[in-house]
Parts: sequence; C-alpha cells; structure tokens
Amino acid sequence: GIQVEQSPPDLILQEGANSTLRCNFSDSVNNLQWFHQNPWGQLINLFYIPSGTKQNGRLSATTVATERYSLLYISSSQTTDSGVYFCAVCQSGNTPLVFGKGTRLSVIA
Amino acid sequence: ETGVTQTPRHLVMGMTNKKSLKCEQHLGHNAMYWYKQSAKKPLELMFVYSLEERVENNSVPSRFSPECPNSSHLFLHLHTLQPEDSALYLCASSQAPPLAGGYNEQFFGPGTRLTVL
Repeated sequence: GIQVEQSPPDLILQEGANSTLRCNFSDSVNNLQWFHQNPWGQLINLFYIPSGTKQNGRLSATTVATERYSLLYISSSQTTDSGVYFCAVCQSGNTPLVFGKGTRLSVIA
Repeated sequence: ETGVTQTPRHLVMGMTNKKSLKCEQHLGHNAMYWYKQSAKKPLELMFVYSLEERVENNSVPSRFSPECPNSSHLFLHLHTLQPEDSALYLCASSQAPPLAGGYNEQFFGPGTRLTVL
C-alpha cells in the first residue's frame, strides 16, 4: 500500500517563528488532507488539498502531486498551534485515507 | 468541530464487560468511519460504512462489532476486549458514495479514549 512519510517527527519553536512541515507519499493520490490534533485528541481539518496551494490565515499548504509531496506552512506560530499535525492521503481508486505518523509541534512562549 | 459528536468521551472497562461507542454526525453526510489511534502509531482505519452498508473491514478482530442503523449514526460494540485495545477511537464522516477516484473530505469527532483493564 501507499506509504506516507512526514518530517520532521518533532519540532520545537519559539512563539512567533515560522515553520514548514513536509509530507511525502509513495504513489499518486486523489485526496490529501492536513489535520491538527489538539492535546485532547480532536482532529481538526486544516486543508483538503489534493493539488495546488491554499491559505487560511497564518496557515498555508501546497501539494505538488506530480512530485508526490505536500508542505504545510505555519507563520507567526502561537502556543495554541502546539499539537500533532497529520497528513493523510487517498490513493487513486476507492481507497480510504492513509495517515502519516505526524509531526509533533511544541510552540513555547 | 461540532458536526461529529462521540459518546462517551472516556470509557474504562474490564475485559469481560460489554460496552458501545456512539457516533453521530450532523453534516448531512452518508459515509461514516471508525479509526483506532494507539500510542505512537498512525491512525488505523477499522470500518467504513457507505450508504449504511459496510464497505470496508480492515481485518479487525470480531470483538469489535460495528453497527450503522442510519446515515447519521454509527456504533462500535465492544466485548471481551484486551488491554492492548486501549486506544483513542475516532469516528469520521464524509459524503458518499466516494467520488470516482477517491474519497471525499473527512471530518472527525472528538474521540472516545478507551482503557481496558
């Protein structure tokens, strides 16, 4: 099956710093989602982005499907951005989401 | 996200108990999913229901039994669980049937944190 690799596995930032999280996948995909899991376990949808670029406030994402990667940018990070960021993809055909292992982000004041 | 709710939020049960997890979605979706998240492991898909029919069963032990009585509700019935089944159980929903070539965007509930003693 498809492999999803996220990097870095852990990231510590000072409040106000910017960061880039990466998601590589091993095969073509029709669907890619970025999620933020808060400390209580809730998965919050950030982007539904099988290709192209989207922005939502301080967050933006770019997926280059032909090169099999996606990037999540966080600018001016805040302590509330802390948590685990997951990338999940859906392969061509009717297959469900496959999740990466996540990037654990800690933003310190 | 209040579109998908799950109850209970926390559950502690013994290995001989029988319990059920409940999920309800208010988004007008017609596909629902159960995922398991164990410590330090990626989210694992357990079951998929599309238009109230089970379309995916990801080699889950029979001590987990899903039920989807209608497109808004999904249950996970638990019996004779093992301590290694302790995990966060997440429900999700999306539009269905899946688009040709892939599933639609999924939305998740807050999860039920299960501890099996």
